[in-house]
Amino acid sequence: GQQVMQIPQYQHVQEGEDFTTYCNSSTTLSNIQWYKQRPGGHPVFLIQLVKSGEVKKQKRLTFQFGEAKKNSSLHITATQTTDVGTYFCAGPPGSGNTGKLIFGQGTTLQVKP
Amino acid sequence: DTAVSQTPKYLVTQMGNDKSIKCEQNLGHDTMYWYKQDSKKFLKIMFSYNNKELIINETVPNRFSPKSPDKAHLNLHINSLELGDSAVYFCASSQAFTGELFFGEGSRLTVL
Repeated sequence: GQQVMQIPQYQHVQEGEDFTTYCNSSTTLSNIQWYKQRPGGHPVFLIQLVKSGEVKKQKRLTFQFGEAKKNSSLHITATQTTDVGTYFCAGPPGSGNTGKLIFGQGTTLQVKP
Repeated sequence: DTAVSQTPKYLVTQMGNDKSIKCEQNLGHDTMYWYKQDSKKFLKIMFSYNNKELIINETVPNRFSPKSPDKAHLNLHINSLELGDSAVYFCASSQAFTGELFFGEGSRLTVL
């Protein structure tokens, strides 16, 4: 079945350093979503990318959707302690439209002040 | 007002018991879901309902039975709990099948 892989699994950075997490799907995705889960919290939607090659920015966060729509990345510039958490990418499997999302295993970011 | 609310937030119970988790959303969404997050934070869909109709059932053991009395509620009943059922269960809702998911705060189930 379809798989969504994320790397790295963990990342420790010094506050102010940049951070990137990569998401790769075994199949083409119609769209990709990103979520953030703070420690002890629940996943919160960040963004959805739909178009091939799409780039979207939210303040210090930059999201990209690959040209082949099989990979995506999230880049955080100048991390802050508030960026701590686990970042998940998620995409719908195949061409069926059921609302099902396959989640990557997440990248957990730790930021040292 | 909490958009997606789950109760209880914590459940500690013995193997073999039966337990239920309730979920309600006040967003007016048509679709609701149950996701399971294991100790490695892996999020996996279990069920989804659209307007009270079961849409997705992800090869979950039949000890798990979802019930949607109306489109604002999706409850999860678990029979004969096993150690492997220990996890955080998240309810979520979305407006459309391709829309963003709004998650509840989660229900942490611990089976002893």
